[in-house]
Amino acid sequence: DIQMTQSPSSLSASVGDRVTITCRASQSISSYLNWYQQKPGKAPKLLIYGASNLQSGVPSRFSGSGSGTDFTLTISSLQPEDFATYYCQQSYSTLFTFGPGTKVDIK
Amino acid sequence: EVQLVESGGGLVQPGGSLRLSCAASGFTFSSYSMNWVRQAPGRGLEWVSYISSSSRTIYYADSVKGRFTMSRDNAKNSLYLQMNSLRDEDTAVYYCARAAGDLSYAFDIWGQGTMVTVSS
Repeated sequence: DIQMTQSPSSLSASVGDRVTITCRASQSISSYLNWYQQKPGKAPKLLIYGASNLQSGVPSRFSGSGSGTDFTLTISSLQPEDFATYYCQQSYSTLFTFGPGTKVDIK
Repeated sequence: EVQLVESGGGLVQPGGSLRLSCAASGFTFSSYSMNWVRQAPGRGLEWVSYISSSSRTIYYADSVKGRFTMSRDNAKNSLYLQMNSLRDEDTAVYYCARAAGDLSYAFDIWGQGTMVTVSS
């Protein structure tokens, strides 16, 4: 199975900050990497698919990059509604796996 | 409106069984592969199982293989998860999620989740 890791596991940031979260796969997954945002008590929401494609309706301050085994999610200017937990997920294999998550909270 | 609605969660004793359902609406259900994903209290997301649009291919996470059975009824726009031999560690919110082939099989639509509690 493909293992996913994320760093950091948590971070504190202020409104307006640029935030970067990294995700690493245990083997090459080409560009089959997706990012989700989850707020407490809510279902996850798809932000980025195929490593760098913005899902419809998602603000342009979110962006993704990478291929192979190393990927990043960047929030260019953190907004109050962005405080949440972010998960990466590989869809290269149908034994889909998620990363452990990165919690972004208010500094 | 594109929507997934789970039901069937509840409290069950260890070793017991439960059947979850997921009702789809607002899209052509038979055209999409589907998944179950769970989240234990205070923990991250764990993919549980996958079923192709025709039910021809089904995969399970090792943690549930041999105990859980995923199925679908395209005529009823419904997805199911039969859970047997339940363990304490199966306690979680269970989500059904649509995998979009045109979005690199990302999970673009999620239900609101149904809580399963395994406890004596």
